[in-house]
Amino acid sequence: GENVEQHPSTLSVQEGDSAVIKCTYSDSASNYFPWYKQELGKRPQLIIDIRSNVGEKKDQRIAVTLNKTAKHFSLHITETQPEDSAVYFCAAAPSFKAAGNKLTFGGGTRVLVKP
Amino acid sequence: DVKVTQSSRYLVKRTGEKVFLECVQDMDHENMFWYRQDPGLGLRLIYFSYDVKMKEKGDIPEGYSVSREKKERFSLILESASTNQTSMYLCASSLRGAGTEAFFGQGTRLTVV
Repeated sequence: GENVEQHPSTLSVQEGDSAVIKCTYSDSASNYFPWYKQELGKRPQLIIDIRSNVGEKKDQRIAVTLNKTAKHFSLHITETQPEDSAVYFCAAAPSFKAAGNKLTFGGGTRVLVKP
Repeated sequence: DVKVTQSSRYLVKRTGEKVFLECVQDMDHENMFWYRQDPGLGLRLIYFSYDVKMKEKGDIPEGYSVSREKKERFSLILESASTNQTSMYLCASSLRGAGTEAFFGQGTRLTVV
């Protein structure tokens, strides 16, 4: 089955700096890669996703890049703000419908933005 | 807004008890999932279901079973609770097909004593 590894496990940045979280996956059949943000005491929520036919996707201060050859993808947060402090999870899912969108998650990265 | 609601926010159960965790979604989603969240281990899939009465084992199904008698409801059952099942349990749902957003419930913090 799929295995997703995520690094680093914790990340402390100064407000205004950039944060980068990296994930690798093992199953070449995966082609959907979402990122979820979980604030303290709250449920995970999707913040951005990317599919294998795209190399990069941006949404305001966040961007995701994908390298299918190397089987890795990354989340980039620019101009970090205190409200970016949370745990971030990457995930991978296979492309075929029979899989029912089974997401395999990484171990999570706790991001702390210091004011 | 999609709503995924888990029946309890906190539960304390004794070792050996049979435990039911309930999840209901109101968006007519075909897929439903149960995950377990532990620090450093991310979210690990216990079971998932593509449709009513259908279920598939995830990565860590041992000690758990599930039931999906109605489309909107997906139950996780701990047949005989053990202390190593103390964890946060998250239910999620999504539309059928590949690459659809998963919506999560608020989680149930289960403590087995």
